[in-house]
Amino acid sequence: GEKVEQHESTLSVREGDSAVINCTYTDTASSYFPWYKQEAGKGLHFVIDIRSNVDRKQSQRLIVLLDKKAKRFSLHITATQPEDSAIYFCAASKGNRIFFGDGTQLVVKP
Amino acid sequence: NSKVIQTPRYLVKGQGQKAKMRCIPEKGHPVVFWYQQNKNNEFKFLINFQNQEVLQQIDMTEKRFSAECPSNSPCSLEIQSSEAGDSALYLCASSTTGDTEVFFGKGTRLTVV
Repeated sequence: GEKVEQHESTLSVREGDSAVINCTYTDTASSYFPWYKQEAGKGLHFVIDIRSNVDRKQSQRLIVLLDKKAKRFSLHITATQPEDSAIYFCAASKGNRIFFGDGTQLVVKP
Repeated sequence: NSKVIQTPRYLVKGQGQKAKMRCIPEKGHPVVFWYQQNKNNEFKFLINFQNQEVLQQIDMTEKRFSAECPSNSPCSLEIQSSEAGDSALYLCASSTTGDTEVFFGKGTRLTVV
């Protein structure tokens, strides 16, 4: 089956800097890669996604890159703000199943 | 913003008791997922549905859980006999297909005492 690995368990940046979270996956059949944000004690909030037919997608301060050859994808948060602090989960979707990474705790220091 | 509604938000049960939680998927979303997130933030897939039919489920769900997604009623997930290890956040999600945006509810946090 699919295995998603999220490389950074914690990430600390200064407000205004960029944050990058990297993930890898194993199954070439995975075709959809969403990212979720979770604040303490709350549910998952969808932030951005990318499909395998493109290699880059941007939504305001969020950029997702996908390298299908390396089976790697990443989330770039530019101009970080304290409210970006949360746990971010990458995921890969294949055949009505979503496989999650273990999460990255992002801390944005003022 | 997700329109998946989960109730109750919090649930406390004794060991051996039944624990039932409900989920109203987004309108027009035929695919529904249930996941369990433990205190280490790890996700465990439990079951998914397309319309009212079960697509996939894990052994634990088949043996210890009862789940359904009837038409015109909320989906539900029920643990038949709660165990301490079932304490977790139970997340319901829905989508149009498995390869499109999947939106999650806020979850039901189950504590088994």
